Amino acid sequence: DIQMTQSPSSLSASVGDRVTITCRTSQTISNYLNWYQQKPGKAPILLIYAASTLQSGVPSRFSGSGSGTDFTLTISSLQPEDFATYYCQQSYSTPRTFGQGTKVEIK
Amino acid sequence: QVQLQESGPGLVKPSQTLSLTCTVSGGSISSGNYYWSWIRQPAGKGLEWIGRMYTSGTTNYNPSLKGRATISRDTSKNEFSLNLSSVTAADTAIYYCARVDYGAPGRYFDYWGQGILVTVSS
Repeated sequence: DIQMTQSPSSLSASVGDRVTITCRTSQTISNYLNWYQQKPGKAPILLIYAASTLQSGVPSRFSGSGSGTDFTLTISSLQPEDFATYYCQQSYSTPRTFGQGTKVEIK
Repeated sequence: QVQLQESGPGLVKPSQTLSLTCTVSGGSISSGNYYWSWIRQPAGKGLEWIGRMYTSGTTNYNPSLKGRATISRDTSKNEFSLNLSSVTAADTAIYYCARVDYGAPGRYFDYWGQGILVTVSS
């Protein structure tokens, strides 16, 4: 199985802050890396696919980068609606695996 | 617009079989380049992929479940199902069904059900 290591596991930030979340995989996955946002009581929603492509309808303050084993999700200016938990997910091989999540909280 | 909806018992006894159904509307489970998947999430924890079925009927499962999971489908009802046998308290979780667009560059989960909480308890 491909192991996914997200960091940090949680962070506190203020509205307007730049936030960066990293995801490292245990083996190279090219760009088969997706990012999801999950709010309490809701299913995850897709933010970024193929490491760096913004899903339709997702605000442009979200961006993704990386290839191989190291990936980054960046929120350029945190908004109140962005407080949530973020997960990376690899789609390179089965079993599909997710990072453990990064909870973004209000400072 | 594709929509998925999970249904099934919210309470299952230990050692019994958990059975859930995902009803799909707005798209056929037997056509296109899609996988139909099950994912679960214990309370306060991360996401675990259970398995998937391709539009052809081919299935793949997470080895961590040690052969306990079976995904099947009823194409006449446009539904696919999950059976998880010999459940324990560790199987208590919110269960989601989701679609993967396998033709897309990221092969991502693009549509999700709302999730259903299943508790394993006597």
